[in-house]
Amino acid sequence: SQTIHQWPATLVQPVGSPLSLECTVEGTSNPNLYWYRQAAGRGLQLLFYSIGIDQISSEVPQNLSASRPQDRQFILSSKKLLLSDSGFYLCAWSGWGPDGYTFGSGTRLTVV
Amino acid sequence: AQKVTQAQTEISVVEKEDVTLDCVYETRDTTYYLFWYKQPPSGELVFLIRRNSFDEQNEISGRYSWNFQKSTSSFNFTITASQVVDSAVYFCALSAVLPFSGTYKYIFGTGTRLKVLA
Repeated sequence: SQTIHQWPATLVQPVGSPLSLECTVEGTSNPNLYWYRQAAGRGLQLLFYSIGIDQISSEVPQNLSASRPQDRQFILSSKKLLLSDSGFYLCAWSGWGPDGYTFGSGTRLTVV
Repeated sequence: AQKVTQAQTEISVVEKEDVTLDCVYETRDTTYYLFWYKQPPSGELVFLIRRNSFDEQNEISGRYSWNFQKSTSSFNFTITASQVVDSAVYFCALSAVLPFSGTYKYIFGTGTRLKVLA
């Protein structure tokens, strides 16, 4: 069966520090991968999606970047965090049909 | 562009009451898919249901039921005899085809926080 792992679960980082959040999927190949952010009390905003290795599409301009160095690995990064980067980050995967997402457990990022 | 509106930001009910969560969507796609997800306090989103645009039959699963009305672009979710464990944020989502790929992304509403009081 397919599983999705996301880590770390929580992170407190100072302003200006770098960020790396990792997400991996098991039990499937060539998944579509997604990064979402949920700000406190807000909905889910799609940040990046990837339909294949090294194929990254950004939905909104921001201080973050994403990479997919391997088929089932998706990384969210920043060189210098801003206070506004705080939020709950969710990784998700989907197949190629309209079956919806399977989400990871999320990373709660607090930038101080 | 696709859009999902969940006008109810927060709803509080007393246990055993019925509650309906509203979802209104906008899309120009002739074929599309609608979803509901539950986000308990732990944070992880849990899939509840998928409905395609060609199937307007209402669906019931235990205490949960969904009313899809294409004419009003709505996909409402009702919990019958609510329980404290139903307390969560509920998201409605709509499919959108990703350009040049034939696959999908999903547009989420802002969510409705449901509080069920004992």
